[in-house]
Amino acid sequence: SQKIEQNSEALNIQEGKTATLTCNYTNYSPAYLQWYRQDPGRGPVFLLLIRENEKEKRKERLKVTFDTTLKQSLFHITASQPADSATYLCALGGMDSSYKLIFGSGTRLLVRP
Amino acid sequence: GAVVSQHPSRVICKSGTSVKIECRSLDFQATTMFWYRQFPKKSLMLMATSNEGSKATYEQGVEKDKFLINHASLTLSTLTVTSAHPEDSSFYICSALPDGTFSNQPQHFGDGTRLSIL
Repeated sequence: SQKIEQNSEALNIQEGKTATLTCNYTNYSPAYLQWYRQDPGRGPVFLLLIRENEKEKRKERLKVTFDTTLKQSLFHITASQPADSATYLCALGGMDSSYKLIFGSGTRLLVRP
Repeated sequence: GAVVSQHPSRVICKSGTSVKIECRSLDFQATTMFWYRQFPKKSLMLMATSNEGSKATYEQGVEKDKFLINHASLTLSTLTVTSAHPEDSSFYICSALPDGTFSNQPQHFGDGTRLSIL
């Protein structure tokens, strides 16, 4: 069966440390993967996109890797801040000719001051 | 830029009521919009793809007669939950793709509508 798995347990880290979130998928062949941030009671906000032929993308303190062999993406936030506390969602896309995204259930990140 | 406004943000109503939710792209045109449903601590589940000027494409298991979608202009899609019942209570979120977007570009999301059916 098809699955997208993100850690269901919250990730609790100290301010200044690097947060690493994992997105694993099974029986999908995405052409690209996107990461979004979602705050409570709000809609998701786009952060980064990585294509299947890219190994790594960076944007300021954010870094995403994509390993199509392992079927895994890692999302890193360096020098984390309490304001980074939120739920982070990965989304797979490009499995067909549509623009549809398939979302993981998200990982909640808590950054302690 | 790329702001999506969703209204209302919260609705509480009695069982049997029909509820309309609006999704507007404020500063861009969107031929394609999406409607999602999200349960607490769960992922966004795509309900349907809304296409301006044509019928919406519903995902498997979503009742099209229950969840009516109208995309009458390039900046507005509406979702009507007909004869809502307590099991329809959820967080409904829309997103929009700016026209001219490549398929791998991000979706722009509204802030959701919390629907509570008593």
